[in-house]
Amino acid sequence: DAGVIQSPRHEVTEMGQEVTLRCKPISGHDYLFWYRQTMMRGLELLIYFNNNVPIDDSGMPEDRFSAKMPNASFSTLKIQPSEPRDSAVYFCASSLAGNSPLHFGNGTRLTVT
Amino acid sequence: EDQVTQSPEALRLQEGESSSLNCSYTVSGLRGLFWYRQDPGKGPEFLFTLYSAGEEKEKERLKATLTKKESFLHITAPKPEDSATYLCAVQAHSGTYKYIFGTGTRLKVLA
Repeated sequence: DAGVIQSPRHEVTEMGQEVTLRCKPISGHDYLFWYRQTMMRGLELLIYFNNNVPIDDSGMPEDRFSAKMPNASFSTLKIQPSEPRDSAVYFCASSLAGNSPLHFGNGTRLTVT
Repeated sequence: EDQVTQSPEALRLQEGESSSLNCSYTVSGLRGLFWYRQDPGKGPEFLFTLYSAGEEKEKERLKATLTKKESFLHITAPKPEDSATYLCAVQAHSGTYKYIFGTGTRLKVLA
């Protein structure tokens, strides 16, 4: 299995631009999680899906962030408009069941200037 | 509020020098405690799951233990390739399957 695939690996954009991060989970995994990692705050859960349905989005910082999962093999995290404080590494992870270990992608490093 | 605290923040060991990393947690009913390893530029990689106090898991030079308030990751005779950040996460018996992560311990093993 190829594991969780994220794209792009790096994204540099200017403040105010729209940013879209993409994730392909492991086939057969029913849960998909989006995390943000910074040195100061570590890994923070943004949102997670079960069978393509958003279950808990309490970690989404504000209305500028949105996430979708149109099918079992694809999810997006969108930031519009982006701000410098959004600079971080964004990870997607999937799991077979709700209490199964997470399998992470290698992340997208976002820099907003 | 559910919380996870890891210590120390950073640890430098000589090759072969055994030590332990700590993960203290406060959670309203533990569903599971997870240990991950993260190498620079990569996503965390799963190591162990512990479910109840007294449980232990081992893998090569690593052994994870669990009490009602904390977990330890014991590293026996570490090698330079064990250098990484080690993350602890908990999942509570709540209505959701949220994982709460600690900020990790950065381990450096010197040859």
